[in-house]
Amino acid sequence: DTAVSQTPKYLVTQMGNDKSIKCEQNLGHDTMYWYKQDSKKFLKIMFSYNNKELIINETVPNRFSPKSPDKAHLNLHINSLELGDSAVYFCASSTVLAEGETQYFGPGTRLLVL
Amino acid sequence: SQQGEEDPQALSIQEGENATMNCSYKTSINNLQWYRQNSGRGLVHLILIRSNEREKHSGRLRVTLDTSKKSSSLLITASRAADTASYFCATDVGGMRFGAGTRLTVKP
Repeated sequence: DTAVSQTPKYLVTQMGNDKSIKCEQNLGHDTMYWYKQDSKKFLKIMFSYNNKELIINETVPNRFSPKSPDKAHLNLHINSLELGDSAVYFCASSTVLAEGETQYFGPGTRLLVL
Repeated sequence: SQQGEEDPQALSIQEGENATMNCSYKTSINNLQWYRQNSGRGLVHLILIRSNEREKHSGRLRVTLDTSKKSSSLLITASRAADTASYFCATDVGGMRFGAGTRLTVKP
């Protein structure tokens, strides 16, 4: 069974559209994240939620709005898509261990804005 | 802001050789982790080393940490073609911070 799943896997859309990416984890973790990986493979954290509460909100345009209906789900809604939003978006989850957290990543959603 | 920076950006070796990748970071950390990403896939956790540890092993992986130099290295011994992937270090500063990774190619 997939531990962290994302849908859709691929998303091609026009500039100006609104789209959502869904993420679900069945690991029982309390914390979930969204990352953006650009064409140069640089992975940058966007948001972090702990038990449905926003913990980290990096400098991300407010066109990006995460929503966590429960601690197993963290969805990402993007308004007014721009060309620069094209990237691979990864969802991840973690449980904080005594020695630190290990993150479990989803397979990624490849977003292409035309 | 970006925390870990991997070096080199790309590394190509023959199967059986050892591969060494380095990571430098900027601020104090509690732990440092290494992840692997196969092409088109999500990242997979490889190993975690705490700030009070200097070396850690896991199978063919050996990780060192030098907190005085703010650097870490990942050594993969007896590499295999299946080790071909990108390798990222990550530090736990205000959330996990990843670098841009080292792209390792192991030729059969």
